[in-house]
Amino acid sequence: QSVLTQSSSASGTPGQGVTVSCSGGSSNIGRHAVNWYQQLPGTAPKLLIYSNNQRPSGVPDRFSGSKSGTSASLAISGLQSEDEADYYCATWDASLNAWVFGGGTKLTVL
Amino acid sequence: EVQVVESGGGLVQPGGSLRLSCGASGFTFSSYWMSWVRQAPGKGLEWVANIKPDGSEEYHVDSVRGRFTISRDNAKNSLYLQMNSLRAEDTAVYHCVSGNNMDVWGKGTTVTVSS
Repeated sequence: QSVLTQSSSASGTPGQGVTVSCSGGSSNIGRHAVNWYQQLPGTAPKLLIYSNNQRPSGVPDRFSGSKSGTSASLAISGLQSEDEADYYCATWDASLNAWVFGGGTKLTVL
Repeated sequence: EVQVVESGGGLVQPGGSLRLSCGASGFTFSSYWMSWVRQAPGKGLEWVANIKPDGSEEYHVDSVRGRFTISRDNAKNSLYLQMNSLRAEDTAVYHCVSGNNMDVWGKGTTVTVSS
């Protein structure tokens, strides 16, 4: 049981937009910035969004992040087949003194 | 190029010990938090531990506290994870991760705990 809650799966067709949500609490998302990671099949995770809505260099602007209260979202516009991956949210939890991850959302591009 | 490379994984019996190492290059190692994150087969990501740039503070997830110890040697640009009293549930790919936002991930080293 993950501290952060994500839906286990999401899907969309090429060109569509999709949103992945992440729900937490006052000691984690409510207090600290959220990062998002993309894990393509068979590869190591990659930082996709940091500090709620910042993109590292090289990440397409089709990916955007937001946070409100104790929830965060990752939006992907103009879906491409190469976006098919697992997506994880993460943040620091002040009560646990630990980084916590969501359980991951498997995105399928139909 | 910013890079971290793990080593030291392998097959170990329950109750045994293993020491993972991570070599860093392409950035000022001594300026950044470093972490270990693991992924059990077919499962999600689990943060294991992190350590402050100067090594003065470290944190561990509850499930490994007292068994695992994270450390670093800034002179050698290296991060370590000493794992003792290993259990079957510690079987996973262990990733070394650099950066205050867990920015750069290594490919990982596989630890298998089995008799």
